[in-house]
Amino acid sequence: GAGVSQSPSNKVTEKGKDVELRCDPISGHTALYWYRQSLGQGLEFLIYFQGNSAPDKSGLPSDRFSAERTGGSVSTLTIQRTQQEDSAVYLCASSLEFRTHEQFFGPGTRLTVL
Amino acid sequence: GDSVTQMEGPVTLSEEAFLTINCTYTATGYPSLFWYVQYPGEGLQLLLKATKADDKGSNKGFEATYRKETTSFHLEKGSVQVSDSAVYFCALSGGSSNTGKLIFGQGTTLQVKP
Repeated sequence: GAGVSQSPSNKVTEKGKDVELRCDPISGHTALYWYRQSLGQGLEFLIYFQGNSAPDKSGLPSDRFSAERTGGSVSTLTIQRTQQEDSAVYLCASSLEFRTHEQFFGPGTRLTVL
Repeated sequence: GDSVTQMEGPVTLSEEAFLTINCTYTATGYPSLFWYVQYPGEGLQLLLKATKADDKGSNKGFEATYRKETTSFHLEKGSVQVSDSAVYFCALSGGSSNTGKLIFGQGTTLQVKP
């Protein structure tokens, strides 16, 4: 079956612009996670959704970052007023439900802020 | 907070050599432990997991045993192949957090030469 998909695969933007990154989880998966992979910080957790609610936003690095999920499916991560330090690969993962702890990852969106 | 420490790479081995990648963790509660692998140009894939002390996870010839007394989850393979060249990440979930979020080590790059 279809895996987790993310779009765009690459995004180049100018400092100060807003960007939106999209994640389509595996159908039927109720839990959705966003992570960031960067050279300096490794793989970091950003935010977790159970259904449409986000009980854990503890990893969002600043108030410029926000995310939403609609219909218990697609999620969008928005970064406002991008900075160069936001350059990273943004990964989305989904799992059947959070207690199974087995997450399936998408291919990621590579964000470059010039 | 919870954390994972894994040996720094890169690790370079000849084909058919024995592989060990060390991983230790700090966590409250009873976390589940994972090894994820990222092949060149591909997304993160779950390699193996263990959910309680003394469990052994195994897949594709790789093994790791959950050792609570030494808080370790070292990855081993008896005979590596060129196709095993990848970045390997040790991770945990379910320690102090009950959301299923993964906490990753820094990753270890493995290069296997023919």
